Amino acid sequence: QQQVKQSPQSLIVQKGGISIINCAYENTAFDYFPWYQQFPGKGPALLIAIRPDVSEKKEGRFTISFNKSAKQFSLHIMDSQPGDSATYFCAATITLGRLYFGRGTQLTVWP
Amino acid sequence: GAGVSQSPSNKVTEKGKDVELRCDPISGHTALYWYRQSLGQGLEFLIYFQGNSAPDKSGLPSDRFSAERTGGSVSTLTIQRTQQEDSAVYLCASSLGLISYNEQFFGPGTRLTVL
Repeated sequence: QQQVKQSPQSLIVQKGGISIINCAYENTAFDYFPWYQQFPGKGPALLIAIRPDVSEKKEGRFTISFNKSAKQFSLHIMDSQPGDSATYFCAATITLGRLYFGRGTQLTVWP
Repeated sequence: GAGVSQSPSNKVTEKGKDVELRCDPISGHTALYWYRQSLGQGLEFLIYFQGNSAPDKSGLPSDRFSAERTGGSVSTLTIQRTQQEDSAVYLCASSLGLISYNEQFFGPGTRLTVL
């Protein structure tokens, strides 16, 4: 059973546009929600993360919005750039740190 | 300092052969994780270590898979009698500890192809 559901599977955005990726979870025990960015041939790298007691976290052009009651969270990439083209994974974890990943979203930003 | 390293970067083997995949975590990281990334299954957890101990092996797909960690550092994932469905990228990650908000740093992975 997929513990974290992610959509869309792929996303094409014009340069300068906003990219939005959505995730949903069921397990209310999750207490940390990271987003990972992965380029071809590389391992995933932490992009930004949020705890469930916060509704929004912003780091530069990247923002996580978190809705605890709906058990949903999303990544917004403002002013998307071609260099943002990568696969993005949402994840959730609890103590012991095992990551439960979404299926991933392949983002393409056209110049 | 160096990040997480994995070797080999690519491994091609024949069905039925055994393979060993190696992970060198970041120095000082006590927690180490193995994940598998494949087209059909996405990123799936295999096993984690705290020190040299692996309390939860339930993520290993079958008894052909085993892992060990020695000296609280290097870890080896062994797959016996490889099958074609074992073809995937095997990723290793390490973190300061098992607390959820400790960032996991991933290595570049080992791409395993079973012919």
